[in-house]
Amino acid sequence: QQQVKQSPQSLIVQKGGISIINCAYENTAFDYFPWYQQFPGKGPALLIAIRPDVSEKKEGRFTISFNKSAKQFSLHIMDSQPGDSATYFCAASRGSVIRASYGKLTFGQGTILTVHP
Amino acid sequence: GAVVSQHPSRVICKSGTSVKIECRSLDFQATTMFWYRQFPKQSLMLMATSNEGSKATYEQGVEKDKFLINHASLTLSTLTVTSAHPEDSSFYICSAYSRLSETQYFGPGTRLLVL
Repeated sequence: QQQVKQSPQSLIVQKGGISIINCAYENTAFDYFPWYQQFPGKGPALLIAIRPDVSEKKEGRFTISFNKSAKQFSLHIMDSQPGDSATYFCAASRGSVIRASYGKLTFGQGTILTVHP
Repeated sequence: GAVVSQHPSRVICKSGTSVKIECRSLDFQATTMFWYRQFPKQSLMLMATSNEGSKATYEQGVEKDKFLINHASLTLSTLTVTSAHPEDSSFYICSAYSRLSETQYFGPGTRLLVL
């Protein structure tokens, strides 16, 4: 029930195209869904995040779409650029009064995005 | 955004020695920090949750005597890999949780190579 399944494993997009990465979760207690971007040899960087009270959130070229009933959320990268080439991870967590698990993230398997010039 | 630093960024050591990795939240206080391990082209694997002033909570399968975690202050957590062996070679990443923004911020990672 703690799993977050991410697809596709890898994605190749032409410059200017739309990159779409999907994630599905099982635990209905999850209430925070961030996306992280990771470049080789670096730590993950928070890209954008959403909570279940909204169905969509947009920040610049990045949009999260959230479907609570289907327990799915996706990342859309508009006008994809070669500099967007990186590994993207979706994640999920739940607020908890249990201090030890507060903020604990469950990660998807990752998607390697390659944007060709 | 909030900044988390890790030191060292890269370390090479001999088998049997111990290695300490520091994780600092530079511009916010973090009562909770997390330690991850990442193998090439794989996702992040949570090793333990570190809470300031209390014992760390280890994930199943992670040896707490081998991976010692100390969270002595609100801005510093350390991971010590004791008696390191080649199979401990990996990319170790810490993160710090900001209760203000309810967000986990990650450090740049430490590449450990045990010879």
